[in-house]
Amino acid sequence: SYVLTQPPSVSVAPGKTATITCGGDNVGRKNVHWYQQKSGQAPVLVIYYHRDRPSGIPERFSGSNSGNTATLTIRRVEAGDEADYYCQVWDSIGDHLLFGGGTKLTVL
Amino acid sequence: EVRLVESGGGLVKPGESLRLSCAASGFTFSSFSMNWVRQAPGKGLEWVSFIGSSSSYKYYAASVKGRFTISRDNAKNSLYLQVNSVTPEDTAVYYCARGEYDILTGYLDYWGQGTLVTVSS
Repeated sequence: SYVLTQPPSVSVAPGKTATITCGGDNVGRKNVHWYQQKSGQAPVLVIYYHRDRPSGIPERFSGSNSGNTATLTIRRVEAGDEADYYCQVWDSIGDHLLFGGGTKLTVL
Repeated sequence: EVRLVESGGGLVKPGESLRLSCAASGFTFSSFSMNWVRQAPGKGLEWVSFIGSSSSYKYYAASVKGRFTISRDNAKNSLYLQVNSVTPEDTAVYYCARGEYDILTGYLDYWGQGTLVTVSS
C-alpha cells in the first residue's frame, strides 16, 4: 500500500526557514495537501494542491511537489508556527485517503 | 461561517457500539463530500471514512472496514459514523472534516473540534 514518509521532527530558529518533506513513490504525480495542527486543536489546511494557500494563511507558507518528494516551506519562522504538520494524498489504488506520519516543528 | 460540531463520543466497553454525529452549518451541506478522521492519544492523523455528497460513494480505511458505517442526512445537514465492535485501538478523537466537493483527490478544508471515544473495560 502507498506510504507517505515525513521526518518526525524539524527544529529551526526564529526568523529562519523550515523545510518539511513528504516522501512517496511518484508523489509528484499526486495532489498533495498540508495541514497544521497546534497542540490541543483541530488540524488546519495550510497548503492545497502542492502550492496554493487558503485565505488567511500567511505568504510565508509555500509548497512544492516533484518526483518522490513534496515539500512544505515556512519562511521567517515564528514561535506561533510551532505545531505538527501533516501531508495528505488520495491513494487511488487502495481508494483511501492517506496522511503522512506528521512532523513536529520546534521553534528554538 | 462554516461550522462542524461532533457529538456522541464517550466511554464504551470493548465490543460495544456507538454512533457519532457531526452537525454542519454555514454551507450547502449537500454539495460537499465529508470525511471522518481520527487521532489516537499522542499519535498522528488517521483517515477513517469518506462519503460523497449524495451518499453514492463510501470508502473506508482497512482498519475499520466491516465495523464502521458512514452515512449522512442532507435534509438535516448531518454526518454520522456508526461504530461497532470497538476495541481499545479505536480510542481516539474523531474529527469530521469537509471535503472539496466530491473530488477524491481534494483537500479537507474545514474540521470540527472532535469528539473523544475511549474504549476501556
